[in-house]
Amino acid sequence: QVTLRESGPALVKPTQTLTLTCTFSGFSLSTSGMCVSWIRQPPGKALEWLARIDWDDDKYYSTSLKTRLTISKDTSKNQVVLTMTNMDPVDTATYYCARAQLGPNDAFDIWGQGTMVTVSS
Amino acid sequence: SYVLTQPPSVSVAPGKTARITCGGNNIGSKSVHWYQQKPGQAPVLVIYYDSDRPSGIPERFSGSNSGNTATLTISRVEAGDEADYYCQVWDSSSDYVVFGGGTKLTVL
Repeated sequence: QVTLRESGPALVKPTQTLTLTCTFSGFSLSTSGMCVSWIRQPPGKALEWLARIDWDDDKYYSTSLKTRLTISKDTSKNQVVLTMTNMDPVDTATYYCARAQLGPNDAFDIWGQGTMVTVSS
Repeated sequence: SYVLTQPPSVSVAPGKTARITCGGNNIGSKSVHWYQQKPGQAPVLVIYYDSDRPSGIPERFSGSNSGNTATLTISRVEAGDEADYYCQVWDSSSDYVVFGGGTKLTVL
């Protein structure tokens, strides 16, 4: 069974750095074509793609957030980590990680349950 | 950057057919995926590569894609289909994933 689970702080202060971890099971991020993305959703708003890391360690970022994001993976731990610097209240959202199996054009077939992050002083 | 446009809301009576559109420049040349999201839940894939259905998704869900519009069609709509629906593509020119703004389906 394939699962993904996001973890991280529920509350961060403005200007702080957010670190989120996606822990997955049931697949290997070393398998050719496999990708894990981070996607967020502010309350009541649409989904927004943030970043992706591929099986070959290639990394891609949202143009608008590129300077603030870093994505990495630890294949041995089955984890993908996203860091976002200089957090602002507008970054308050539910953050999801999701898997695609056949490269960047593939659908996100499995999603984590999401983790809600509030940015407030 | 590539933009996907969805109607904010669609309403349909039970048993009727709902059609949710997703507009984009020459979207017919791209692969479109559709997700269903119920309140408080993560999105669930309902259609991939324009018209394929994952296992476990009812045959009432279908998709098409041509020209500048992709369409998610839900036949014989049930109360349980009430949710937000999002279309998604990968813009190969910028290596960027794009989501539509979402459509709230209301079952009357």
